[in-house]
Amino acid sequence: AQKITQTQPGMFVQEKEAVTLDCTYDTSDQSYGLFWYKQPSSGEMIFLIYQGSYDEQNATEGRYSLNFQKARKSANLVISASQLGDSAMYFCAMRDPNQAGTALIFGKGTTLSVSS
Amino acid sequence: DTGVSQDPRHKITKRGQNVTFRCDPISEHNRLYWYRQTLGQGPEFLTYFQNEAQLEKSRLLSDRFSAERPKGSFSTLEIQRTEQGDSAMYLCASSLVPRPNSYEQYFGPGTRLTVT
Repeated sequence: AQKITQTQPGMFVQEKEAVTLDCTYDTSDQSYGLFWYKQPSSGEMIFLIYQGSYDEQNATEGRYSLNFQKARKSANLVISASQLGDSAMYFCAMRDPNQAGTALIFGKGTTLSVSS
Repeated sequence: DTGVSQDPRHKITKRGQNVTFRCDPISEHNRLYWYRQTLGQGPEFLTYFQNEAQLEKSRLLSDRFSAERPKGSFSTLEIQRTEQGDSAMYLCASSLVPRPNSYEQYFGPGTRLTVT
């Protein structure tokens, strides 16, 4: 069964610093996709970044980049130059190939707190 | 593009009552998903629709739960004879598939259900 593990319940960072949020995954499939979502206190899940298993380069979206290490089955999110508005819950997710509709499996999340 | 909307945002009900939630996806999106999120956990997949057809249901979706998407646009999720264990955030997401290179889902703000 596919599984997503986020081992950091909480992370603290100061404004303008970079932070890495860890995510490891377990799958026996060759083709899969990995996502990161941000969930502020308002509750809405905001899509941040996507990495396909066959993508040769690490995905980047503005201040977000994904450190994808396929052999280690890790897909860590790197946020550069943290801002106060980055304080939120962050979820790593994988497309579940057992569900034909590309449903997502989520990890338990990491709470990021950014201080000034 | 107005995003995914959900109604109501909050619902408090007594055990044993029926509740219905509505989701309006992004207009051109053909796939619609329902997830449930309990405190301290990531969202868990419940069911999804491709246009008006319900193509997949999770084991989490007991007989008390039913979902519809009658015209392939908005969807409703009904919970009959609510139990305290149904208290959770119910999230709706939509996506446009196929879409080259990615399968990101766009989430609504969720409906928070409290069963007393």
